[in-house]
Amino acid sequence: AQKVTQAQTEISVVEKEDVTLDCVYETRDTTYYLFWYKQPPSGELVFLIRRNSFDEQNEISGRYSWNFQKSTSSFNFTITASQVVDSAVYFCALSEGGGSTLGRLYFGRGTQLTVWP
Amino acid sequence: DAGVIQSPRHEVTEMGQEVTLRCKPISGHNSLFWYRQTMMRGLELLIYFNNNVPIDDSGMPEDRFSAKMPNASFSTLKIQPSEPRDSAVYFCASSEGDRGTYEQYFGPGTRLTVT
Repeated sequence: AQKVTQAQTEISVVEKEDVTLDCVYETRDTTYYLFWYKQPPSGELVFLIRRNSFDEQNEISGRYSWNFQKSTSSFNFTITASQVVDSAVYFCALSEGGGSTLGRLYFGRGTQLTVWP
Repeated sequence: DAGVIQSPRHEVTEMGQEVTLRCKPISGHNSLFWYRQTMMRGLELLIYFNNNVPIDDSGMPEDRFSAKMPNASFSTLKIQPSEPRDSAVYFCASSEGDRGTYEQYFGPGTRLTVT
């Protein structure tokens, strides 16, 4: 079973639109960590944010914001006033807090975001 | 500070040949991860090391794949013999610890093509 589901395979928006990328996760651990990574066309994976399961505060960083809701097992990512440079594949990932899977990241399949000028 | 360094960036080889991918983690990081990315399977963890010791190699596809970490600043992923289905982008990542509290930083990847 997929531990991280990104149901949106592709999203296209026009510049300056807001866009939300969905992420739903599944774990039985009470301690876990959630991540978002960006993969631009150049191919590298860029770390964006990490949240732990005990901190449900939403976070804002410039045009980026993240909404963590344990009740729905979701960790959604919103880009406000999107720009062409935001075009990339965005990955959500989960790391569980204990047991034999300690330290490994489970990635979703990614959402391809295209921002048109 | 230098990020994770991988070499080569591109590798084209013929089926049956041995391929060695190299990785230098960020200095001070004690966990190292090898991933493979394909369109069909997405990002897959192949193996990871903590303090140079392999912790989980359950993602290694088969005996043709092997990985080593002889010291804290160097790791290799070897495929012998290579097959066309091994064509993928291989990423190395490192983190400060073996727990999810630490984010992983990825290298630029090695694009492997096996003909």
